[in-house]
Amino acid sequence: GESVGLHLPTLSVQEGDNSIINCAYSNSASDYFIWYKQESGKGPQFIIDIRSNMDKRQGQRVTVLLNKTVKHLSLQIAATQPGDSAVYFCAEKKHAGGTSYGKLTFGQGTILTVHP
Amino acid sequence: EAQVTQNPRYLITVTGKKLTVTCSQNMNHEYMSWYRQDPGLGLRQIYYSMNVEVTDKGDVPEGYKVSRKEKRNFPLILESPSPNQTSLYFCASSLGQGGGYTFGSGTRLTVV
Repeated sequence: GESVGLHLPTLSVQEGDNSIINCAYSNSASDYFIWYKQESGKGPQFIIDIRSNMDKRQGQRVTVLLNKTVKHLSLQIAATQPGDSAVYFCAEKKHAGGTSYGKLTFGQGTILTVHP
Repeated sequence: EAQVTQNPRYLITVTGKKLTVTCSQNMNHEYMSWYRQDPGLGLRQIYYSMNVEVTDKGDVPEGYKVSRKEKRNFPLILESPSPNQTSLYFCASSLGQGGGYTFGSGTRLTVV
């Protein structure tokens, strides 16, 4: 597959365990914080987002936590499966000038490997 | 199927030979953007467009051009490619709400 990063943080878990992937962000003015999953040879795939005025949001098997005090974002994956193996990126989005559009600024990514 | 389609998937070219990477989306999204992905540098925005005929520079626009003549298409143009533009390129589109950007499958460009 295509390499998307060198020396990225890695997380190895057993199938069925819960996974926690962490991210530190820099821009306090970001409007949204987002998690993307990138499998080998594919583009980033949206997982879940959270608005800056929230501290927790749940999806299907995933939970995102936002701690603005320490500028920390985490993604929790419940009952991790081999199909969850991928590179996970956090991203910040800041709205541009009164519009709802905005640039995504990505973190470096974390490699998650799930062992059967 | 809702998607962002990029072409080609793989391209090897020589320095200075103009090329275009096409991007098309079928979701009627107003916002489109190009990113490049490099080892150790992550994903960086090249250009973006908020609507037809509205484009602006991202973080690494040097050596690239874009155009947005139609809502669905957002081609990336390299007028005179150089080896430092060897990279993996992604096109993305969005309705604007939230963080839900849809990415294409990527174009692996090698400039020799």
